[in-house]
Amino acid sequence: QKEVEQDPGPLSVPEGAIVSLNCTYSNSAFQYFMWYRQYSRKGPELLMYTYSSGNKEDGRFTAQVDKSSKYISLFIRDSQPSDSATYLCAMTTNAGGTSYGKLTFGQGTILTVHP
Amino acid sequence: NAGVTQTPKFRILKIGQSMTLQCAQDMNHNYMYWYRQDPGMGLKLIYYSVGAGITDKGEVPNGYNVSRSTTEDFPLRLELAAPSQTSVYFCASSLDYSGTTEAFFGQGTRLTVV
Repeated sequence: QKEVEQDPGPLSVPEGAIVSLNCTYSNSAFQYFMWYRQYSRKGPELLMYTYSSGNKEDGRFTAQVDKSSKYISLFIRDSQPSDSATYLCAMTTNAGGTSYGKLTFGQGTILTVHP
Repeated sequence: NAGVTQTPKFRILKIGQSMTLQCAQDMNHNYMYWYRQDPGMGLKLIYYSVGAGITDKGEVPNGYNVSRSTTEDFPLRLELAAPSQTSVYFCASSLDYSGTTEAFFGQGTRLTVV
């Protein structure tokens, strides 16, 4: 079983739609959760991070974590063509200790928002 | 501010050849990482370094070697290239290992082994 499973998509939605991206994980030691956005032929860029169960909002983006279910989500409201990219969930265990910032990634979801 | 710079951007290698993927960062970050990204597989950690002179293996280290002689540079060496090493390689760096610290990625090196 993979430590992190991400709904692979791909997703194609019309402009203005609400997008839901999801990951599940099996390692209960994961404490920090991130979403990275990767445009075509570019490196990933951090979009959001969170470390507690519940919701965190940043503009049109909401990150949701449910530690009891080992499930995280990213919601995009009013999606735009510029949101077209691959979205990667990533996780790490305790800060410090032996984690050293090593990230475990999901497989990525390719999102296309068409005008 | 250049961030994380990777060279080359593209490379085609023949089976058995060797090469070094270069990575340099100008943010004075102690922590540096090498990941590979295969289609539909996400990113997997190859090696990482917590400072000059200190490196350790990640999830998929076989067939690779690294060194870290300076804070800025973290080259990845492929000794005997194999088709299974065809992938996109990303170097990343971060200021510390806090779970809330952003990792900055380079633009990647696309490697094909034929």
